Amino acid sequence: NAGVMQNPRHLVRRRGQEARLRCSPMKGHSHVYWYRQLPEEGLKFMVYLQKENIIDESGMPKERFSAEFPKEGPSILRIQQVVRGDSAAYFCASSPEGGSPEQFFGPGTRLTVL
Amino acid sequence: DQQVKQNSPSLSVQEGRISILNCDYTNSMFDYFLWYKKYPAEGPTFLISISSIKDKNEDGRFTVFLNKSAKHLSLHIVPSQPGDSAVYFCAAREYGNKLVFGAGTILRVKS
Repeated sequence: NAGVMQNPRHLVRRRGQEARLRCSPMKGHSHVYWYRQLPEEGLKFMVYLQKENIIDESGMPKERFSAEFPKEGPSILRIQQVVRGDSAAYFCASSPEGGSPEQFFGPGTRLTVL
Repeated sequence: DQQVKQNSPSLSVQEGRISILNCDYTNSMFDYFLWYKKYPAEGPTFLISISSIKDKNEDGRFTVFLNKSAKHLSLHIVPSQPGDSAVYFCAAREYGNKLVFGAGTILRVKS
């Protein structure tokens, strides 16, 4: 009965490199969400996906950030040409079909940009 | 514009006493409110939720109260235990499943 899994747990990138963050939702969950937490702040919504579809990307920066949730495999949050301001904890959450409001979070990926 | 506010950055409570964590919101279209607990270097853990049409929900030691007219909710933990020491986030659901989080309150339960 595994929960939401994220990898890597820690990721260090130099400015200008690409960062790929992976998320496997809980078994039976078809909704995936990505949130970002900057130091001393709460979590901020980035994007909401279902299998092969982006439902809401209103929290995604317009450039360099993209997300996908393919038919097979984990959801990927991709950050191109990272900058120091991208350093944060990135959390993935999942929820089942049915409209229940609870979202279940993974342990997060801590991205550090040097 | 912060739609969900937790105005107390921290709270210290004696073991066995009640912990009350507060949250205010501005958007009357939120349909659910949730509380999460978070330990360092871990993801948030869901605690309890309440629908906007209810005024109270209880689950064991945790009770959430909602005052819609005041746009205010609170989480009561009774009795508080040292293991409850963590950061508590209030969150509200917007149409379309997006959660809007407050900045969190650090709870310290002293033994």
